[in-house]
Amino acid sequence: GESVGLHLPTLSVQEGDNSIINCAYSNSASDYFIWYKQESGKGPQFIIDIRSNMDKRQGQRVTVLLNKTVKHLSLQIAATQPGDSAVYFCAERGTNDMRFGAGTRLTVKP
Amino acid sequence: GAGVSQSPSNKVTEKGKDVELRCDPISGHTALYWYRQRLGQGLEFLIYFQGNSAPDKSGLPSDRFSAERTGESVSTLTIQRTQQEDSAVYLCASSSRLAGSTDTQYFGPGTRLTVL
Repeated sequence: GESVGLHLPTLSVQEGDNSIINCAYSNSASDYFIWYKQESGKGPQFIIDIRSNMDKRQGQRVTVLLNKTVKHLSLQIAATQPGDSAVYFCAERGTNDMRFGAGTRLTVKP
Repeated sequence: GAGVSQSPSNKVTEKGKDVELRCDPISGHTALYWYRQRLGQGLEFLIYFQGNSAPDKSGLPSDRFSAERTGESVSTLTIQRTQQEDSAVYLCASSSRLAGSTDTQYFGPGTRLTVL
């Protein structure tokens, strides 16, 4: 069946470095993707989204890249800060739901 | 309200008891979703409401789970005869789901359910 998954369950980076979180998807018909950030004890929070007709989209310190050829999605965080420590989920829009991967835990070391 | 709210924030219950979880979506949002998140895992879709249409119940794990929504307002998720494996955080999300919209879902803080 179709699935959304993440390459790495954990990622540790030094404060100030750039972070890259990866996601693989298998449903070539998916037309919309979202990255969510979930801090401990809170619900997921929307970070950035991208439609399948785009390759790249930038926000404030975050960039999402979409490679439809290899069905790969990535989230880049520039100048990672301690407040960026959280679990990051990519999500793929299905018919009536968003399908989420297991998440990557990002830890920022001071 | 300003965001999606859920109550209670925490619920501890004994195995076999029924529980009811509440979600208040963002005002004006026609779509409402329930998800389950087990410890250290991703989000598992449970049920979806869109306006007055019949809900999509395809994600409900068993007939012990049910949910209702009155119009485009509050929703309740009911779990009957709770089991220990029901222990999880239950998240609610709402979206505007308007034509041409990107259907971004906004999540509540969740209800942490612990079944002893």
